[in-house]
Amino acid sequence: EAGVAQSPRYKIIEKRQSVAFWCNPISGHATLYWYQQILGQGPKLLIQFQNNGVVDDSQLPKDRFSAERLKGVDSTLKIQPAKLEDSAVYLCASSLGQGAYMNTEAFFGQGTRLTVV
Amino acid sequence: QQPVQSPQAVILREGEDAVINCSSSKALYSVHWYRQKHGEAPVFLMILLKGGEQKGHEKISASFNEKKQQSSLYLTASQLSYSGTYFCGTGGRGEDDYKLSFGAGTTVTVRA
Repeated sequence: EAGVAQSPRYKIIEKRQSVAFWCNPISGHATLYWYQQILGQGPKLLIQFQNNGVVDDSQLPKDRFSAERLKGVDSTLKIQPAKLEDSAVYLCASSLGQGAYMNTEAFFGQGTRLTVV
Repeated sequence: QQPVQSPQAVILREGEDAVINCSSSKALYSVHWYRQKHGEAPVFLMILLKGGEQKGHEKISASFNEKKQQSSLYLTASQLSYSGTYFCGTGGRGEDDYKLSFGAGTTVTVRA
């Protein structure tokens, strides 16, 4: 079974530039997550989709971050404009669960390491 | 609301035991445990769905006290391969809390 695919693996940009990350979840997984993990910290949920609807985006800085999941499959996360504090690993994960409750495991991709200089 | 983990870090010698705790201020539906090694993605260990449920993965086990909104992860007879950062993730029961939130992590170092 193929895992969660993310690209690119690494990205270096200057502040105020824009950047986009791509995620292809495991086939058939209804729920897709984007997490931001700053070095030494736990993953912080940015946005959670179920199919192509948003379950939660309460911690997404909407003035600069946007995400979409077209057709309920792959997803893109965009940052525009980037700030120095956005330097982190951006993890995409997916899980099978269809219902409201978190009752299935999440599978993580390798992540995209973003450095903003 | 993110769950709170303790301790932040623990150092063990091979064969020793350790307990990692995870607590939430909200009613929980599920507790998920993951391990992350340096530079890698988090890897799923186990999920607990019922109060009182206990599960095991090799010599790693966990319990879930639904009433106290707490879970504990037990590392028994630790091996070098157990080194890494352990995260608990929680899924809530409330209408505003169906998301999967993670704690800050507990770094475990097992030495020979």
